[in-house]
Amino acid sequence: ETGVTQTPRHLVMGMTNKKSLKCEQHLGHNAMYWYKQSAKKPLELMFVYSLEERVENNSVPSRFSPECPNSSHLFLHLHTLQPEDSALYLCASSQDHAGQGGTGELFFGEGSRLTVL
Amino acid sequence: DAKTTQPNSMESNEEEPVHLPCNHSTISGTDYIHWYRQLPSQGPEYVIHGLTSNVNNRMASLAIAEDRKSSTLILHRATLRDAAVYYCILRDSISNFGNEKLTFGTGTRLTIIP
Repeated sequence: ETGVTQTPRHLVMGMTNKKSLKCEQHLGHNAMYWYKQSAKKPLELMFVYSLEERVENNSVPSRFSPECPNSSHLFLHLHTLQPEDSALYLCASSQDHAGQGGTGELFFGEGSRLTVL
Repeated sequence: DAKTTQPNSMESNEEEPVHLPCNHSTISGTDYIHWYRQLPSQGPEYVIHGLTSNVNNRMASLAIAEDRKSSTLILHRATLRDAAVYYCILRDSISNFGNEKLTFGTGTRLTIIP
C-alpha cells in the first residue's frame, strides 16, 4: 500500500456537476496539502491542513471546497468548475514538528487528472 | 519572499555526474533547502534537503554554498530513470506553512542521453 493514495486517478466532469477528490495517507502524518498542476505551469499550493485545521488558503475560488475530517483523509469538493480548472490535482502529506517545520519532507500521491468539459 | 531560480532544462549523458544548480539569494537563516523530482505521470518525490552543511543520501548529494545563496544537487551517475523535472524549494523551519515557502517553481527538466 503506497503512502499517499488519491482517488479517482482520472475524472471527467461537466461544468454543472459536483464531484469530490479523495486523498488518504497511511504514514501517520499531521499535515496534508492540495496542489494544482496545470500544463506548463508550476505546482500551485491550494490548501494546507495541519492537525485537521486549515492554516493556508491561497485565494482559491470557492468552487473548490476542501474538507479534512481526520489526519488521514483529505477531500477536495468540486462544483461549478470551469474548463480552465482542468489540471492534475496532487495531494501531499508531511510530519512537521513545532519549531522544526521545514524538516518534514512532503510525500505526494500520484494525482487525480481532472478534465472539465 | 524567498524564491528559487533554476535553469529550465539540462542534458546529461548516461552514467556521468549531473550538477543541477539552484539560486536562492533571498534565503533566510531559518530556511531549509529541499529538492524534489517529478518523473513523468507521477507526483513529485523527495530527493534530499539541507540547512548549511553538505548532505549525502542514497539518491544524491546536496552541496550548499557557504553564503547559502545557492545550492547544487549532484547525481553521481545519471541513469535513464533519473530523467525528470527537478525542483528546488525553501521551507521555513519556524513557520512551516508560509505560502511562498511551499511554492514550487518551474524546475529543471533533466534529459538523460543514452
